[in-house]
Amino acid sequence: EVQLVESGGGSAQPGRSLRLSCSASGFTFGDYAMSWVRQAPGKGLEWVGLIRSKAYGGTTEYAASVKGRVTISRDDSKTIAYLQMNSLKTEDTAVYYCTRNGGHCGGDCYDYWGQGTLVTVSS
Amino acid sequence: QSVLTQPPSASGTPGQRVTISCSGSSSNIGSKTVSWYQQLPGTAPKLLIYYTNQRPSGVPDRFSGSKSGTSASLAISGLQSEDEADYYCAAWDDSLNGVVFGGGTKLTVL
Repeated sequence: EVQLVESGGGSAQPGRSLRLSCSASGFTFGDYAMSWVRQAPGKGLEWVGLIRSKAYGGTTEYAASVKGRVTISRDDSKTIAYLQMNSLKTEDTAVYYCTRNGGHCGGDCYDYWGQGTLVTVSS
Repeated sequence: QSVLTQPPSASGTPGQRVTISCSGSSSNIGSKTVSWYQQLPGTAPKLLIYYTNQRPSGVPDRFSGSKSGTSASLAISGLQSEDEADYYCAAWDDSLNGVVFGGGTKLTVL
């Protein structure tokens, strides 16, 4: 059974940093791109970024709203994806979901989602 | 303001057919495949449609997707009370070099 479990959320002050982790199981983690999607309270879904599999260079892409402040990385040996967020802003307050880019859709869909972890940025 | 435009709300009675639209541009829907997600209250989103019109295993055939030009649609036939949820469309955008989501449509089953 595919499982994605996020951790690392919590409260932080503006300007500080936070690292979220996504522990994956039930599939060959290294074969898939992984993405992060966030949802501000009462709002819609917003794509944060992705990291491709090593077979595709392990490259990353980021949304303009977080580019330069966020880094996505992966440790295939531990089957964990990370979201490092720096210079946090109040508008980063959201539930952060870890997702798997589905192989059967060429990576252009998210076939599994974690339960989400809440990040609250406030002074 | 989302890059993909969805109506904020939709409604129908049990058994009806409802359609949710998703309007984009040539850099996203016009040239890419569309996926749809269902988010029940208090839960993580779930993949409903991929490759514009394909259903993952386990998704009832009451759900169908289509696309015409720069717009996509999600149709739900035989509406059921458990379909009451938020629905989101998504697509890759070549101009932004990233994924864009619609603002979401809240479906109410009357």
